[in-house]
Amino acid sequence: QVDLVQSGTEVKTPGASVRVSCKSSGFSFTKYYTHWMRQAPGQGLEWMGVIFPSGDATSYAQNFSGRVSVTRESSTSTVYMELTSLRSDDTAVYYCAREAPYTGWFDPWGQGTLVTVSS
Amino acid sequence: QSALTQPPSASGSPGQSVTISCTGTSSDVGGGYNFVSWYQQHPGKAPKVIIYEVRKRPSGVPDRFSGSESGNTASLTISGLQAEDEADYYCCSYADRSKYVFGSGTKVTVL
Repeated sequence: QVDLVQSGTEVKTPGASVRVSCKSSGFSFTKYYTHWMRQAPGQGLEWMGVIFPSGDATSYAQNFSGRVSVTRESSTSTVYMELTSLRSDDTAVYYCAREAPYTGWFDPWGQGTLVTVSS
Repeated sequence: QSALTQPPSASGSPGQSVTISCTGTSSDVGGGYNFVSWYQQHPGKAPKVIIYEVRKRPSGVPDRFSGSESGNTASLTISGLQAEDEADYYCCSYADRSKYVFGSGTKVTVL
């Protein structure tokens, strides 16, 4: 069964960093893109970035101005998203999702990780 | 990259049809990439893909969901509305250089 399981809820203070994990099972994750999205409370989805199947290439949304990085650990089939210099408006549910190469759609999605930024 | 434009809300009675538009630019929806997808999200749940490559349905998605595209605008039509279709819907488009952009979202209410 194909599944993406994310790490648990995080509470951070402004200026800190957060790292959210996304563990894959049921497929060879080195053959797929892994994307990250977020959704602020009551707001829409926002695409953040992607790591390529090769693991050595990434692409990020310009909105994050270098604050986001996506990495992976092949030995544990886990992809990580780190967001630095956290602000209160980074409070959101963060999702990972899989994309088969050159298909342009995301399936499945992880269950989501709530990150709260508050002083 | 600005969010694609969707109407905030849409509604219809059971059995009726509702169409949601998704307007972008020639750099995304109208860029000829054919990578427009639609996602359904129920409250508190992760999004689920219902349309990919503009008009294709993944296995298990009812055929009352259909997609189309014209110029810089993509559309999702739900025919024969059912109570379980009440949810938020988001379009998403490839936007060059391995980047993607989502729509602003549309809340569908079944009256």
